[in-house]
Amino acid sequence: QKEVEQDPGPLSVPEGAIVSLNCTYSNSAFQYFMWYRQYSRKGPELLMYTYSSGNKEDGRFTAQVDKSSKYISLFIRDSQPSDSATYLCAMIDSNYQLIWGAGTKLIIKP
Amino acid sequence: NAGVTQTPKFQVLKTGQSMTLQCAQDMNHNSMYWYRQDPGMGLRLIYYSASEGTTDKGEVPNGYNVSRLNKREFSLRLESAAPSQTSVYFCASSDLAGGRDTQYFGPGTRLTVL
Repeated sequence: QKEVEQDPGPLSVPEGAIVSLNCTYSNSAFQYFMWYRQYSRKGPELLMYTYSSGNKEDGRFTAQVDKSSKYISLFIRDSQPSDSATYLCAMIDSNYQLIWGAGTKLIIKP
Repeated sequence: NAGVTQTPKFQVLKTGQSMTLQCAQDMNHNSMYWYRQDPGMGLRLIYYSASEGTTDKGEVPNGYNVSRLNKREFSLRLESAAPSQTSVYFCASSDLAGGRDTQYFGPGTRLTVL
């Protein structure tokens, strides 16, 4: 079993919809959680970085962490075609190494 | 300010051939990383260099070697390529080692081993 599980998708939604992307994890020692966005044929780029349980908002993006359930989410409001990309979750283990999810491919249809 | 650059962008090798992937960053970062990305597998760390003069194995180091040439440059070498090494390779850099700091990625090298 992988330490971090992420549905690979693809997830296809109409423009303007609210998108929910999720990851589950098994290691209760994870404390830092990140979402990276990767456009096709590009390298990943950091989108959101959270430390504790709860919500963090940045524009149309909200990152949510539920440590009790070992579950993190990324919500995208008013989704745009330019949001079409692969979204990777990542978490830091006790050795400060990044553990990556496999990524979810998101398609926003105009 | 180019960020992280990688060469080449594409490469096709025959089984048994060798090659070196080059990576350079101009952000004065201390730490550099090599990942491979395969469908359904996410990013897997091959090697990393926490600071100039040090290198350490990651999750999948077999079949690879690295050199931290100076603070800017970190190369990845395949001595005898195998079809299982067909992948997209990403170099990344960060100021602090590990995941405590944002990692900045290059555009990737798409390698096919026949």
